[in-house]
Amino acid sequence: DAGVTQSPTHLIKTRGQQVTLRCSPKSGHDTVSWYQQALGQGPQFIFQYYEEEERQRGNFPDRFSGHQFPNYSSELNVNALLLGDSALYLCASRRAHEQFFGPGTRLTVL
Amino acid sequence: AQSVTQLGSHVSVSEGALVLLRCNYSSSVPPYLFWYVQYPNQGLQLLLKYTTGATLVKGINGFEAEFKKSETSFHLTKPSAHMSDAAEYFCAVTPVGLLGNEKLTFGTGTRL
Repeated sequence: DAGVTQSPTHLIKTRGQQVTLRCSPKSGHDTVSWYQQALGQGPQFIFQYYEEEERQRGNFPDRFSGHQFPNYSSELNVNALLLGDSALYLCASRRAHEQFFGPGTRLTVL
Repeated sequence: AQSVTQLGSHVSVSEGALVLLRCNYSSSVPPYLFWYVQYPNQGLQLLLKYTTGATLVKGINGFEAEFKKSETSFHLTKPSAHMSDAAEYFCAVTPVGLLGNEKLTFGTGTRL
């Protein structure tokens, strides 16, 4: 059984550009959450998707948006990238009250 | 709003010694509690969780944690440290309630 997968593993962008990160949940999981983990910090909740809708959102600007597809996979889009957006972006899928995390996408903004 | 405090950003122990990583939470009602471990350049792996029932919970790799409501604590322990335990450890909480509100709030982590 494959776990949560994310692509790409690493990404380098410049300020002002746009980026799309992708996540496939564990088999049978229908809820996907995204987290941002800055260097030396704990993960911060961005938003959660269920039934192709954003159900809950953390304290992130509208530059951060997402999408969930009928097969439960998800995308995270960040527009107008800032240097401060450099971080590890983690995707998690849920079973009951337990969230399973993917390996993350390391985004570097230059 | 919920919050998590992990005392000590770095903890050093000798191999074979007791491991104690501290976690205190703030919440209007007792939340669900989790400990995650993160190895370098990897995602988060669940060590253990407390939802209901016995307050002493056992996890993987010999770790355990005890939920103490009166102290709002959920400290992580392991009787004997191993070199392979070197990693970043995160305590996290999520509200108790209907599914659909499982936002995890993390502490800032402790590097062991």
